[in-house]
This record gives sequence, structure tokens and C-alpha cells, in this order.
Amino acid sequence: GAVVSQHPSWVICKSGTSVKIECRSLDFQATTMFWYRQFPKQSLMLMATSNEGSKATYEQGVEKDKFLINHASLTLSTLTVTSAHPEDSSFYICSARTGNEKLFFGSGTQLSVL
Amino acid sequence: DAKTTQPTSMDCAEGRAANLPCNHSTISGNEYVYWYRQIHSQGPQYIIHGLKNNETNEMASLIITEDRKSSTLILPHATLRDTAVYYCIVRVRDTGRRALTFGSGTRLQVQP
Repeated sequence: GAVVSQHPSWVICKSGTSVKIECRSLDFQATTMFWYRQFPKQSLMLMATSNEGSKATYEQGVEKDKFLINHASLTLSTLTVTSAHPEDSSFYICSARTGNEKLFFGSGTQLSVL
Repeated sequence: DAKTTQPTSMDCAEGRAANLPCNHSTISGNEYVYWYRQIHSQGPQYIIHGLKNNETNEMASLIITEDRKSSTLILPHATLRDTAVYYCIVRVRDTGRRALTFGSGTRLQVQP
């Protein structure tokens, strides 16, 4: 089946630094990828929709200048958390859809900001 | 997307069938029922989807009532590795430009 690879699996960083998370579709082309955030004991919340070759679309309440999304190719989207703070600590998950209507998800990135 | 209602949690004995219900009384004629699950600290995994006919694959079976107002996901022989949060999502099929919206799901605990 289709595979979505997400790296890193976990990252610890100091407050004020930036962290980049990569999401790759390994065996299919994804014109659209989605980024979610999940806090402990809560469900996934959509942050933004990443479109290849164009600007991302952010959900209400998500700061686009803080969560930079780049989708430069059909197989790679990146999420950069800029000037991270402890409240940004969360589980970040990307997903991409194949041509047969199934959404596949990355394994997630646990971000801990000290 | 139609609203769905699922029990918060369920227990199931290992080796037994796990039957996870989902109510979607406001489902429209062109909306499908999708099931995903999320094992702890992993990304969600697609399980199965259907429109009105019952569906079966290597992972599970999906039973949709005739009026389509509810459905049941069946894991025929639950194992400890099936412990996860199961999400029932109702939505139209589209070109892939819209994300899935996740509710609270059902936390299934498979007991040894």
C-alpha cells in the first residue's frame, strides 16, 4: 500500500528555536498534503492544507507565520515550527491522499519544547 | 460532513469479535462511511469504507444498516495489537482536496 514517511519521529528543542518536520509520499505523487496536530488525550486537529506549488491554506486560529508549510514537490511537504515555545509541544501528523480516495498518514512527530 | 456519534470506550476479550458502533443519523445519500484507527503514538491507519453495502477486507467488516443511519465495524478476532482509538467518519468522496475531520472516536481496549 501507499506509504507516507514522516521525519523525525521525535524531536526535543529549546524554546525559541525552529524545528522542521518532513513528510514524504514514497510511492505516489501527492498534490495535496494535510498537517494535523494532536494534544494528549485529544483527537487530531487539522492545521493546514498543503498544495504543491502554491501557498498553504491554514485553519482558523493557526498562525501561518509560526507554522511555515512548504510543498515544493509532488512528494515532499515540510512543516517548520518557528520560534517554538513549550505550548507548541504536541504530536504532529501529516497525511496525503492517493488517487483512489484513501488517505494515508505519516507515523507522526512528537515535538517537545523545553 | 454528517455528524457521527461513537461510544467513548469499549473493552473486548482477545480472540473475540469486537463490534464498534457508529451512529450517523443525518447521513446524506452521497456520503460514505469511513473507518480509521490510531494506535498510540502513531498516525491513523485506514481500515475500510462503504456507501450502503456491507464491505469486508483483510482487516475488518463494515455493516451498514439499510436506512444508513448507523454502522458497525467488526474486527472478527481481536488481538492485543488492535487496541487503539477507532474513528468513524462520514463524508462525500471528493478529489482529495479536503482533509478528514476526526471526532473523539472509540477507545478500544483488547484484554488478554
